[in-house]
Amino acid sequence: DTGVSQDPRHKITKRGQNVTFRCDPISEHNRLYWYRQTLGQGPEFLTYFQNEAQLEKSRLLSDRFSAERPKGSFSTLEIQRTEQGDSAMYLCASSLAESSYEQYFGPGTRLTVT
Amino acid sequence: KQEVTQIPAALSVPEGENLVLNCSFTDSAIYNLQWFRQDPGKGLTSLLLIQSSQREQTSGRLNASLDKSSGRSTLYIAASQPGDSATYLCLEAAGNKLTFGGGTRVLVKP
Repeated sequence: DTGVSQDPRHKITKRGQNVTFRCDPISEHNRLYWYRQTLGQGPEFLTYFQNEAQLEKSRLLSDRFSAERPKGSFSTLEIQRTEQGDSAMYLCASSLAESSYEQYFGPGTRLTVT
Repeated sequence: KQEVTQIPAALSVPEGENLVLNCSFTDSAIYNLQWFRQDPGKGLTSLLLIQSSQREQTSGRLNASLDKSSGRSTLYIAASQPGDSATYLCLEAAGNKLTFGGGTRVLVKP
């Protein structure tokens, strides 16, 4: 069990560009979550999947954000037309029903929009 | 609106003192509450998870309690060490709603 992995770890992009992040959950974990965290704040929930189905999406998530989990394994989070306010740490977590949905987090992807 | 509050936002204690960290939540339909530790610039490390049917969980020097009637969870860390310095976060799961508190930044001074 290698834990939750995220790629890339750091991303610097110019305003207006599109970016895509990848998350690989712990194998056999059926739930996968995305959060966003800004400096000094607790993480904010963005969305989560059960297998390939996206079950919940935060109202904070604008139309520029989209997430997929096509085969119920890894997930991607895309941000279109990035803005400076998108600069944050993007965190991914996974969980398993048999473990009471205890969430395990990856190291995060730090996005800087210049 | 579901809210989770952690007070104080920061705490400084001398080594050896017990730590008491508080987490208050408003959604009574809680499914579970999870405590995490976060070191600067890093991801979150799970410490303890308490299901809504439980009152407490223990792991080593850590003990977490849950009181649904008062909407409160408390994390106790016994005999604190400098290595316990970090930000501690609680996460409430209630239905499809997942809400973190703002965290308590802890400094344990040698």
